[in-house]
Amino acid sequence: GAGVSQSPRYKVAKRGQDVALRCDPISGHVSLFWYQQALGQGPEFLTYFQNEAQLDKSGLPSDRFFAERPEGSVSTLKIQRTQQEDSAVYLCASSPGGASLGYTFGSGTRLTVV
Amino acid sequence: EDQVTQSPEALRLQEGESSSLNCSYTVSGLRGLFWYRQDPGKGPEFLFTLYSAGEEKEKERLKATLTKKESFLHITAPKPEDSATYLCAVQADTNAGKSTFGDGTTLTVKP
Repeated sequence: GAGVSQSPRYKVAKRGQDVALRCDPISGHVSLFWYQQALGQGPEFLTYFQNEAQLDKSGLPSDRFFAERPEGSVSTLKIQRTQQEDSAVYLCASSPGGASLGYTFGSGTRLTVV
Repeated sequence: EDQVTQSPEALRLQEGESSSLNCSYTVSGLRGLFWYRQDPGKGPEFLFTLYSAGEEKEKERLKATLTKKESFLHITAPKPEDSATYLCAVQADTNAGKSTFGDGTTLTVKP
């Protein structure tokens, strides 16, 4: 497609439930990023892939968070045993190569944990 | 640790009233500074990348400038459709995959 596609657009999870958030980057984009954005704040880095290799996962808040990009295109962010503090918008972005280029972001998945 | 501080948090302007948004940063070796625009319910939209002090970039009514400690986003004769949150982000040359964002300036332009 023409842009970065994220699904679902909205997700409500009960505390303790596992969730999976999907990102379809722009075709051919080598780099893929996940960010977490709380209400009224800027995005915070979670993790970064170059093709299928996860080069940096230093921003993942705990071992309940896991991301993968097995074939170097679609990526999934998985959160196990969700907690209320996980409620946020999860943004995926991609770029054609060199991380110093600006990103193209998707519209995000709004996760609400109840 | 890289840090980005944006000011003001919110700015209300009349249509045609020019102003500037500030982004102060500390980074261990700047690889690039980025400006994004974010509309409610959407992801950030890339505007500019600046790489070195003294550099300027322009797009329609927007002009971004960069010094060694801060960047400005100048908005000339804004229109209501310029209303959005403007985000600044930096990348360090020691960690090319990570951008550190500020919390943004929410701009409202009244007709």
